[in-house]
Amino acid sequence: AQSVTQPDIHITVSEGASLELRCNYSYGATPYLFWYVQSPGQGLQLLLKYFSGDTLVQGIKGFEAEFKRSQSSFNLRKPSVHWSDAAEYFCAVGPNTGNQFYFGTGTSLTVIP
Amino acid sequence: KAGVTQTPRYLIKTRGQQVTLSCSPISGHRSVSWYQQTPGQGLQFLFEYFSETQRNKGNFPGRFSGRQFSNSRSEMNVSTLELGDSALYLCASSLWTGGGEAFFGQGTRLTVV
Repeated sequence: AQSVTQPDIHITVSEGASLELRCNYSYGATPYLFWYVQSPGQGLQLLLKYFSGDTLVQGIKGFEAEFKRSQSSFNLRKPSVHWSDAAEYFCAVGPNTGNQFYFGTGTSLTVIP
Repeated sequence: KAGVTQTPRYLIKTRGQQVTLSCSPISGHRSVSWYQQTPGQGLQFLFEYFSETQRNKGNFPGRFSGRQFSNSRSEMNVSTLELGDSALYLCASSLWTGGGEAFFGQGTRLTVV
């Protein structure tokens, strides 16, 4: 069965510090992997995606993620966090059938000055 | 290029009523998927439409239905509303079905009282 686990419900970091959000997945085939960000009351914005090829992918807003097949992980990183990065982050895998994506439960990021 | 447009943004309905939500995908996109987001259950897949046909359906009761028009616009309908249907309903637009990334609208916040 397909599933995504985000072990950290909430993370607090200081502005300017580095960030890593964890994501583990379970998928029956080569996965397509995504990270989305959601600000309060808003929809989901795609940060980056992995389909194949280079396992280190770059996204928008200075984010990057690394696909590690052996660990079934797709962790999101940013070298220096800005206050505007405070939001909810979702890891997703898919699509399986059609465009059905499976989402993790999200990690809420708080940035302190 | 316009993004995914969902209307209305907010709705308040009474238990037992029915509601229709609308989604206009990105121009040229033919796949529309719907998701329900709640604090307790997270993001759950409702269904996907591609070329006016339902391609896949999540584990929701028959009170939840949808359709897609020839211009790819989609509507979802919830009949006999229950308090538990209160949620953010998100629409996702993709170029094709099974083709990878999805772009989300800002959602419709439905409150059932």
